[in-house]
Amino acid sequence: AQSVAQPEDQVNVAEGNPLTVKCTYSVSGNPYLFWYVQYPNRGLQFLLKYITGDNLVKGSYGFEAEFNKSQTSFHLKKPSALVSDSALYFCAVRDAQYSSASKIIFGSGTRLSIRP
Amino acid sequence: EAQVTQNPRYLITVTGKKLTVTCSQNMNHEYMSWYRQDPGLGLRQIYYSMNVEVTDKGDVPEGYKVSRKEKRNFPLILESPSPNQTSLYFCASNSPGNTEAFFGQGTRLTVV
Repeated sequence: AQSVAQPEDQVNVAEGNPLTVKCTYSVSGNPYLFWYVQYPNRGLQFLLKYITGDNLVKGSYGFEAEFNKSQTSFHLKKPSALVSDSALYFCAVRDAQYSSASKIIFGSGTRLSIRP
Repeated sequence: EAQVTQNPRYLITVTGKKLTVTCSQNMNHEYMSWYRQDPGLGLRQIYYSMNVEVTDKGDVPEGYKVSRKEKRNFPLILESPSPNQTSLYFCASNSPGNTEAFFGQGTRLTVV
């Protein structure tokens, strides 16, 4: 069965410092992996995805994520945090073997707080 | 502009009074889904549809109904709402394969 774990409910970082939001996954086959961001009173916005190829994926707003197959992880990173990055972040996975189905599994979310 | 539109954005209702939350997408996506978001539980899929007249249960379907009579619309129906259905609801659409999902703005439902 598919699953996604975001082990941290909250991550606090000072502005200008690097940030990491952790995500690990479990699928039976190869994964399609996604990161979404949710700002207050808004829907989820797509940030980036890993399908295949280069393990380092670059996305919107300067975010990137590194796919690590041996550790089954897909951590979200940014070299220099901004106060405006403060939001709720969701990791999601879809099993590539069953990609014709609509099943995307979401993690429980990590609240990122950037202090000035 | 490509978008998923949900209505209403906010709704307060009483136990047992039937309600419908509408969802419409303009991207000609085959797949549409409904999720509920609760603190600490992330997003849980309620129902999904792979095409017109094709719907299936997600992880938490109890107390909900859906229909997919047209490709663009996927309404969520609560026949007899209960307080445990108080939540934030999202509709999403996507194409098959490795594509990301597009989400609506959300509907905050309170059942008293």
